[in-house]
Amino acid sequence: QKEVEQDPGPLSVPEGAIVSLNCTYSNSAFQYFMWYRQYSRKGPELLMYTYSSGNKEDGRFTAQVDKSSKYISLFIRDSQPSDSATYLCAMSSYGQNFVFGPGTRLSVLP
Amino acid sequence: EPEVTQTPSHQVTQMGQEVILRCVPISNHLYFYWYRQILGQKVEFLVSFYNNEISEKSEIFDDQFSVERPDGSNFTLKIRSTKLEDSAMYFCASREQGARTEAFFGQGTRLTVV
Repeated sequence: QKEVEQDPGPLSVPEGAIVSLNCTYSNSAFQYFMWYRQYSRKGPELLMYTYSSGNKEDGRFTAQVDKSSKYISLFIRDSQPSDSATYLCAMSSYGQNFVFGPGTRLSVLP
Repeated sequence: EPEVTQTPSHQVTQMGQEVILRCVPISNHLYFYWYRQILGQKVEFLVSFYNNEISEKSEIFDDQFSVERPDGSNFTLKIRSTKLEDSAMYFCASREQGARTEAFFGQGTRLTVV
């Protein structure tokens, strides 16, 4: 079993839709969860950071963590064509390096 | 807004040559990382660096790789004898003191080994 799994997509949605992106993981020691957005051939751009279980909202983005299910989600409301990118989840345990999922490619169609 | 900067943005080198990739982390950050991403694949951890020493490294980070913080601002990754399979995007990241902080990434250096 891979440590962090993500549906690679591509996921295509119409502009204005709510997007749901998900990751599952196997390491119960993970406590810190991040979502990054990556445009083609660019560096990962931090979107959301959460610690342990719960929800966090920032503008159009909501991150959810369910440690009991080892499942994290990123919701994008009112999606825009500029949201078209690859979305990477990343996670770590205390003081350790970040482990990335393979990424989900999202296309928001005008 | 503070950011991690990396140079060069693109490096082409011949197989067997040494390359040095450079990074300037965010100024008050204390933890530094190198990751790489082979085209079409996931972002992979190479090495982490704290307090002037390697704190963790992956299986990828073999004897051909080394890291250095030569002064108070730069953080470098050296590949001694490049191989074709080293061709990838290399990302530097940094974060503040404390485990409960997020990591910020640079825009990457695209290394092409020919």
